[in-house]
Amino acid sequence: ETGVTQTPRHLVMGMTNKKSLKCEQHLGHNAMYWYKQSAKKPLELMFVYNFKEQTENNSVPSRFSPECPNSSHLFLHLHTLQPEDSALYLCASSQDGALNEQFFGPGTRLTVL
Amino acid sequence: GIQVEQSPPDLILQEGANSTLRCNFSDSVNNLQWFHQNPWGQLINLFYIPSGTKQNGRLSATTVATERYSLLYISSSQTTDSGVYFCAALNTGTASKLTFGTGTRLQVTL
Repeated sequence: ETGVTQTPRHLVMGMTNKKSLKCEQHLGHNAMYWYKQSAKKPLELMFVYNFKEQTENNSVPSRFSPECPNSSHLFLHLHTLQPEDSALYLCASSQDGALNEQFFGPGTRLTVL
Repeated sequence: GIQVEQSPPDLILQEGANSTLRCNFSDSVNNLQWFHQNPWGQLINLFYIPSGTKQNGRLSATTVATERYSLLYISSSQTTDSGVYFCAALNTGTASKLTFGTGTRLQVTL
């Protein structure tokens, strides 16, 4: 257990569906991150939140919409996804910014049909 | 931004063998982490090591920041060590995000 939880662990959705991924950290951290891991590619940073404010959007398509209501929770809202969006989505947190050690959740394995 | 390269890409060991994984990076680093990704996708923190040497049980790591590389040593390998090992680095002067290498896939056989 890393202190970062993610739900659901697996998700299958059609291209017209709307779904949300949830991340929660119990470490008292102030920064949270969404990463995407596709087959045969390095982890790609998607979004960064620091003290609930978005500080980085790594050119992510608008069909991915993050939400950070407080420092402990992070959501990724999904709508009208494409099959190439199928991947493992990982959430992470760190004490403050990227200088600090990051801890990862178990991931949500997403399949888009 | 910083470039991170890992070698070897794949490694097969017999149980009990030792191994060294390498991570080269293209710039000075403020953060360097080693992770183990298990078959279920969980990234497990091994070391936070922007410089120096650390040890944790059968694992140890050394980062030589001036020469821009880090090494992860696995001794007396076990089948549970199988998985993918990632190195990730950050240079705050050029970016605000960790950059991950492509990983070393390790398989430990009986």
